[in-house]
Amino acid sequence: EAGVAQSPRYKIIEKRQSVAFWCNPISGHATLYWYQQILGQGPKLLIQFQNNGVVDDSQLPKDRFSAERLKGVDSTLKIQPAKLEDSAVYLCASSSGQGGGYTFGSGTRLTVV
Amino acid sequence: QQQVKQSPQSLIVQKGGIPIINCAYENTAFDYFPWYQQFPGKGPALLIAIRPDVSEKKEGRFTISFNKSAKQFSLHIMDSQPGDSATYFCAASKQGSWGKLQFGAGTQVVVTP
Repeated sequence: EAGVAQSPRYKIIEKRQSVAFWCNPISGHATLYWYQQILGQGPKLLIQFQNNGVVDDSQLPKDRFSAERLKGVDSTLKIQPAKLEDSAVYLCASSSGQGGGYTFGSGTRLTVV
Repeated sequence: QQQVKQSPQSLIVQKGGIPIINCAYENTAFDYFPWYQQFPGKGPALLIAIRPDVSEKKEGRFTISFNKSAKQFSLHIMDSQPGDSATYFCAASKQGSWGKLQFGAGTQVVVTP
């Protein structure tokens, strides 16, 4: 099966600019996740969707981050305005919920300068 | 507050050696404990996972040992190979294999030829 697709792979922006990331999960996976991985740390969940509804966004900085999952398939994560500390890899993952765990995409590496 | 503590931060072993990575948790509500392997520029990939009703699980050269009373679990890589050189993350979830994952900080493993 095709994996989780993410784009772009890399992005460099100046602080206070906006940026958006896109994710296409594995076909049929109802659950989609966005994780933030800062260099040298483990990933941290930002938001979890079940179909197109939000299950958990408790760690999403809602004053600057937003995410949506249109029609329960693709998802976009947006940062506006970006801060230096947002420099990280943004990982999208999906799960069928059938016991197989997550499949992660390769991520988008964001550098804020 | 880090809910899953992982050690060591890094380790180097010779080919054929057995790197051992340890994790500890506090929340007894966790019911799913996966290990992920991550290569540079890639997203984490599920390696092996265990539930708290099992004390040991083996898949190929990878073994998880689980001590419920001590709230600790560990990953052993038997007959390690240079291709096993990667960063390994332990994680824990309260909602099975599709729930929010709390990751450890990661262990960088280097296997020398």
